Amino acid sequence: AQTVTQSQPEMSVQEAETVTLSCTYDTSESDYYLFWYKQPPSRQMILVIRQEAYKQQNATENRFSVNFQKAAKSFSLKISDSQLGDAAMYFCAFNTGGGNKLTFGTGTQLKVEL
Amino acid sequence: SAVISQKPSRDICQRGTSLTIQCQVDSQVTMMFWYRQQPGQSLTLIATANQGSEATYESGFVIDKFPISRPNLTFSTLTVSNMSPEDSSIYLCSVGRGYQETQYFGPGTRLLVL
Repeated sequence: AQTVTQSQPEMSVQEAETVTLSCTYDTSESDYYLFWYKQPPSRQMILVIRQEAYKQQNATENRFSVNFQKAAKSFSLKISDSQLGDAAMYFCAFNTGGGNKLTFGTGTQLKVEL
Repeated sequence: SAVISQKPSRDICQRGTSLTIQCQVDSQVTMMFWYRQQPGQSLTLIATANQGSEATYESGFVIDKFPISRPNLTFSTLTVSNMSPEDSSIYLCSVGRGYQETQYFGPGTRLLVL
């Protein structure tokens, strides 16, 4: 079975500081994509960053970067220079097999404090 | 990415009635998906909407309860039939253009069943 585990239900970070959200997954596939989505109170699911499993280089998008450890099946998200607008629920997900099916983790609620 | 709209954005319905949710994309897409997000939970895939053929349902979801239409490459509908309070959720559509492509989400439909 394909599973995604986010072991941190809640995280807090001070504004301008750095925070890392954890994600592990389990799959027997060798070719897959990994994603972090952000869901603010508006409930809109917003793509934060994605990583192709065949790429060794970690993806980065401005203040967001990932630490992808394929052998450990780990895919953590680092947010640098945290801003109040980063406060949201963050979901880790991966795309398995044919048909583009996304499997989501349970989410981490990120709070940003002044 | 793609611009995705959903109608209605929210609704309050009576037990036993049905609601049809529309999902419109601003460009042609191969894959359209419907997800349910129950209160405080992660996203669960209901079905993949295939243009020109029957939708493919995930385990635990059936066509009689969640009939789906996909008349063209830019539009899909999900009907929640014979509703009960347990159907109170956010329903989201998403789109992707090909195998393991990134999925982009609509703003969601917040449904409350009394």
